[in-house]
Amino acid sequence: DIQMTQSPPTLSASVGETVTITCRASQSISSWLAWYQQKPGKAPNLLIYKASSLESGVPSRFSGSGSGTEFTLTISSLQPDDFATYYCQQYNSYSTFGQGTKVEIK
Amino acid sequence: DVQVLESGGGFVQPGGSLRLSCAASGFTFSTYAINWVRQAPGKGLEWVSGISGSGGSTSYADSVKGRFTISRDNSKNTLYLQMNSLRAEDTATYYCAKDGCSGGTCYYTDWGQGTLVTVSS
Repeated sequence: DIQMTQSPPTLSASVGETVTITCRASQSISSWLAWYQQKPGKAPNLLIYKASSLESGVPSRFSGSGSGTEFTLTISSLQPDDFATYYCQQYNSYSTFGQGTKVEIK
Repeated sequence: DVQVLESGGGFVQPGGSLRLSCAASGFTFSTYAINWVRQAPGKGLEWVSGISGSGGSTSYADSVKGRFTISRDNSKNTLYLQMNSLRAEDTATYYCAKDGCSGGTCYYTDWGQGTLVTVSS
């Protein structure tokens, strides 16, 4: 099974800052990686697929990069609506999610 | 617009059974694989099971293999999850999640609002 490790578990940041979340796979997953945003009591929402493709309707301040085993999600100029939990998902072999990164207000 | 709506959650004792349903609309149902993803209270996301568009191919997480069965009725645009031998650790919100691709394993573009399953004595 492919394991996904996200870091950090929690991130404190201010509005306007740029933040980066890392996701590492236990083996190569090529670019078969997605990122989701989840707010309390709501279903996850797809942000990025195939490591760096922005889902339609998602603001351009969200970007993804990486391939193989190391991936990053960057949020440029953090907005109040961006405080949430973020998950990576590998879909190279079945599906596995990272443990999540909670982005909190500093 | 794509819509997926789960139902069937509730309270069940350990060892009991429950069947979840997911009604879909707004897309050609038989074209897309659909999955069940769960989230225990205060925890992260866990993929549970997936089924191909035709229903001919299914897959399960090790944690539910042999206890849960996924199926679909393409004439009714509905997905099911039969859950048997339920354990306390199966307590979670169960989401129905539609693939964004029409073949192979994929990311999930559309999610339902979730249905809560509580397993407790």
